[in-house]
Amino acid sequence: DAKTTQPNSMESNEEEPVHLPCNHSTISGTDYIHWYRQLPSQGPEYVIHGLTSNVNNRMASLAIAEDRKSSTLILHRATLRDAAVYYCILRDVKNSGGSNYKLTFGKGTLLTVNP
Amino acid sequence: NAGVMQNPRHLVRRRGQEARLRCSPMKGHSHVYWYRQLPEEGLKFMVYLQKENIIDESGMPKERFSAEFPKEGPSILRIQQVVRGDSAAYFCASSLQGLADTQYFGPGTRLTVL
Repeated sequence: DAKTTQPNSMESNEEEPVHLPCNHSTISGTDYIHWYRQLPSQGPEYVIHGLTSNVNNRMASLAIAEDRKSSTLILHRATLRDAAVYYCILRDVKNSGGSNYKLTFGKGTLLTVNP
Repeated sequence: NAGVMQNPRHLVRRRGQEARLRCSPMKGHSHVYWYRQLPEEGLKFMVYLQKENIIDESGMPKERFSAEFPKEGPSILRIQQVVRGDSAAYFCASSLQGLADTQYFGPGTRLTVL
């Protein structure tokens, strides 16, 4: 599985934008970039995913580098409720490894939001 | 639509007892996945089931753990003769289709073994 690298932790202030980076230099052409987050004492929550183009939804935006070796999850206005561990996960849509249903969670980025 | 439901949310067992964790997938979803999160660790895949079939149980410990997803009713993760090392949060996820389809997670069951 292609690996991802994220900072261990980041800090933000409420109402300010947050940019959460993810490096995936060994990404393959058929890997989708998925983001999940896990709030304290809760299950992971799907946030967004994309392949090549930037994506927006009601929760966040995903900016993908032109060479696809990195991506950034953007929370436009952080709230206290956004404090969570954010996971960047690659998923091979082609299933060349035969088990692309397995989500591989790394350590993620712990986002702290200051009031 | 109701999301993925898991019960109980908290379960306390003494060493040697059995633990049964239940998961009801989102409406219309026939693919279920179980993950385990040990204290201070990331989530690890355990097993993937599709109605009445175990597709992949490569992440399940070889002994004491079993899973099922019957034609009717919730998916069950069963742990026999629990030990302290089984204390963890167990999360269930479901998807509409298999492979790389988006998985939606439940709130988890926190198992404590005394």
